[in-house]
Amino acid sequence: DAGVIQSPRHEVTEMGQEVTLRCKPISGHDYLFWYRQTMMRGLELLIYFNNNVPIDDSGMPEDRFSAKMPNASFSTLKIQPSEPRDSAVYFCASSGRGRGNYGYTFGSGTRLTVV
Amino acid sequence: GENVEQHPSTLSVQEGDSAVIKCTYSDSASNYFPWYKQELGKRPQLIIDIRSNVGEKKDQRIAVTLNKTAKHFSLHITETQPEDSAVYFCAASRTNTGGFKTIFGAGTRLFVKA
Repeated sequence: DAGVIQSPRHEVTEMGQEVTLRCKPISGHDYLFWYRQTMMRGLELLIYFNNNVPIDDSGMPEDRFSAKMPNASFSTLKIQPSEPRDSAVYFCASSGRGRGNYGYTFGSGTRLTVV
Repeated sequence: GENVEQHPSTLSVQEGDSAVIKCTYSDSASNYFPWYKQELGKRPQLIIDIRSNVGEKKDQRIAVTLNKTAKHFSLHITETQPEDSAVYFCAASRTNTGGFKTIFGAGTRLFVKA
């Protein structure tokens, strides 16, 4: 298995622009998580899905952030409009809890810089 | 809300010495406690985990202990090597309820000096 695949690896955008981050989870994993990592706040859970259904989005900072999972093999995290304080590394992770596998496999992350 | 506290934030040891990282959690319903290692510029990777029905688990040079009564768990690395240098995150999670949310500690930056 290729693991969790995220794209792009790096994104530099101007304030006010729309940003879309993409994630392909491990095949067969029934949970998908979006985390944001910064030096100040560490690893923050933004939202997670179970079988493509959003379960908890209480970590989404504000209405500028939205996430979708249209099928079991793809999820997006969108920021519109982006702001400099959104600069961070965004990780997607998946887990096969349905198989009794509770650990997370993280993707390589997307380093977002908003200027 | 749920919280995981991790200490120390930075740890420096001599190669060959042991390193211990400690965490406490607030949610008494947590029953799964993973540890992740993140090397500089890389993704966090699961290195060991423990469930609440077990007090200790070992895998080669790393071990984890859990005290459910005190809501403490710890990571022990013996015979440290330079490649152990990384940030280590503890985490606590519920797995037996409708939700499945993992709360991470703030991380411990471990330096192993050769």
